[in-house]
Amino acid sequence: DVKVTQSSRYLVKRTGEKVFLECVQDMDHENMFWYRQDPGLGLRLIYFSYDVKMKEKGDIPEGYSVSREKKERFSLILESASTNQTSMYLCASSPQAAWYNEQFFGPGTRLTVL
Amino acid sequence: DQQVKQNSPSLSVQEGRISILNCDYTNSMFDYFLWYKKYPAEGPTFLISISSIKDKNEDGRFTVFLNKSAKHLSLHIVPSQPGDSAVYFCAASADNNNDMRFGAGTRLTVKP
Repeated sequence: DVKVTQSSRYLVKRTGEKVFLECVQDMDHENMFWYRQDPGLGLRLIYFSYDVKMKEKGDIPEGYSVSREKKERFSLILESASTNQTSMYLCASSPQAAWYNEQFFGPGTRLTVL
Repeated sequence: DQQVKQNSPSLSVQEGRISILNCDYTNSMFDYFLWYKKYPAEGPTFLISISSIKDKNEDGRFTVFLNKSAKHLSLHIVPSQPGDSAVYFCAASADNNNDMRFGAGTRLTVKP
C-alpha cells in the first residue's frame, strides 16, 4: 500500500517561530510537492521538487523554503511563522518526469499560528 | 488569478440519482485534467483524468466530459451513493510547463 506520510496532523505555533513540516513517501517517486489548502481557494502550490536537492517555486513561495536531501523526504520550512500562514498543508508525490501524472497526497497538517 | 474554477461550493443529491460536478478553466494551454476526491482528515485521492485529445473518459460509475471549446469539464457520478459524499477537486495542467492548478472544490452530499 503506497504511502505519503506527514510528520504532524495538527500543529500550533507562535508568530515568529521557525516551523518544519516533514513529508516522507515510500513509492520511490521523483517528484514531490507542497500545497496549502484554504477555503474558497483550493490547493495552491508552494514549492515542488523533481529530484534530490532540486527545488522550484510554485505560485506562493513567499515566506517558505524547502529542503530535499533524500529522495523520499521533502521538508517545508516556515522561517518566521506568521498568522496568515495558518492553513492546511498537503504534501504530494508523483512518479516520472511527467509531473502532471496522478499525485499521491499525504493526510495533511493543519497548522495554526497564534 | 484562479485559472480553474469550481463555481458550486456545494451540491446535494439523493442516493441513486446522478451527481454532476462542474469545472471551468481559462488557460487554453491546459491539456490534461484530473478529478480528486477528498474525505475529511484525509488527503485528496485521484479519481479520474482526461487528456485534451478525448472528450469523454469513463471508469465505472464515474465519467468525465471535456468541452474544449467551452473550456469546461464535468464529472458525472451515476448512480450516486452515500459513500461518494466528499469534496471533489478539479485540477488542470499543461504539458509544456510545470503548472498544475486546482479548483476550490465542491462538497458533494449524497443523501440516503
